[in-house]
Amino acid sequence: EVQLVESGGGLVQPGRSMKLSCAASGFTFNNYDMAWVCQAPKKGLEWVATISYDGSSTYYRDSVKGRFTISRDNAKSTLYLQMDSLRSEDTATYYCARSFGWFAYWGQGTLVTVSS
Amino acid sequence: DIRMTQSPASLSASLGETVNIECLASEDIYSDLAWYQQKPGKSPQLLIYNANSLQNGVPSRFSGSGSGTQYSLKINSLQSEDVATYFCQQYNNYPTFGAGTKLELK
Repeated sequence: EVQLVESGGGLVQPGRSMKLSCAASGFTFNNYDMAWVCQAPKKGLEWVATISYDGSSTYYRDSVKGRFTISRDNAKSTLYLQMDSLRSEDTATYYCARSFGWFAYWGQGTLVTVSS
Repeated sequence: DIRMTQSPASLSASLGETVNIECLASEDIYSDLAWYQQKPGKSPQLLIYNANSLQNGVPSRFSGSGSGTQYSLKINSLQSEDVATYFCQQYNNYPTFGAGTKLELK
């Protein structure tokens, strides 16, 4: 059974950093691209970033370019999202997802609240 | 970015009814379209990919159609467990989602 379990969310002050993790199991992690998708409270879904199966390519939405870094450790079957210079508008639940263009599997999400 | 305009924003329907949700892309996305169902407090679940392919385990009352810029999700014989918010997503370019359709029971 495919499982994706996010961790690392919480309350953080504007301008500070936070690192999210997503532990994957139930599939061959290094065969798949992975992504982060966020959802602000009571709002819709927004793609954040994607990383290729081997980590060689990364893609970001414009609003996080230069502030967020997606990475992966295939030996640990773990996906990461390093978030720097956080803003109040980054407040959202962050989901990791297995990507094939579409997102077939999602984690339960981890809430990041950016507030002073 | 490719804009996805989803309609209606909300919808009220009776049990057993057929429901249609539409998604209009700002440019041709060549059937690179998925549909998701999200229940309150839960993660989104994939229903349809490639515009009309049913994800494993999804009931056959769900179906997708469309091409070019216009796509739709159809739910036949609405069940109580179908109450949820539905999102479309294109992946022809960097992924973008529709704003969602909240489906309630009448």
